Amino acid sequence: EDQVTQSPEALRLQEGESSSLNCSYTVSGLRGLFWYRQDPGKGPEFLFTLYSAGEEKEKERLKATLTKKESFLHITAPKPEDSATYLCAVINAGNNRKLIWGLGTSLGVNP
Amino acid sequence: GAVVSQHPSRVICKSGTSVKIECRSLDFQATTMFWYRQFPKKSLMLMATSNEGSKATYEQGVEKDKFLINHASLTLSTLTVTSAHPEDSSFYICSAIPSGRSYEQYFGPGTRLTVT
Repeated sequence: EDQVTQSPEALRLQEGESSSLNCSYTVSGLRGLFWYRQDPGKGPEFLFTLYSAGEEKEKERLKATLTKKESFLHITAPKPEDSATYLCAVINAGNNRKLIWGLGTSLGVNP
Repeated sequence: GAVVSQHPSRVICKSGTSVKIECRSLDFQATTMFWYRQFPKKSLMLMATSNEGSKATYEQGVEKDKFLINHASLTLSTLTVTSAHPEDSSFYICSAIPSGRSYEQYFGPGTRLTVT
């Protein structure tokens, strides 16, 4: 069965303290892996799409990487405004573009 | 780019009434839109996939007569919750895939529905 597991469930960092969030997946034929950011009471905000192992993408303080089993979202020198829930989702071959979601990592960054 | 809006952002309605939620892609056309429901501290639950000009495809366990979806144009999809009950209270979010793209979904800001 296709599955996405995110860890840790929650993470609290000091401003400037870099860290990584993990997204492990088991899917039958990965078509794409997606990272989103979600603030309380808002819809998810698209961050990255990764399609193949070895691919990396960056945006400001965020960098996403992908292997055949997992993806990491690296946060460099985070700021309080980076506090949010980070969601990982995948699409497998043949599931008609339905996203399979992890439960997210709730990130808090203290000033 | 790739902005999706939803209206209203919050709605309170009485049990037994119907409420319509609009989802618009503001700066792109979307052949496919999706409707989700999210419970507190839970992941998004896909309710249905909406394709412009055709009937929506509902996920197992979602009542199509209760949650009416209309995707009448390439920039607008609507979700109507009919005969709402308190258990329909939830956070409803739509998403859209820009035409010509394969998989990237862009989400609206969500609609908080409270049924009293």
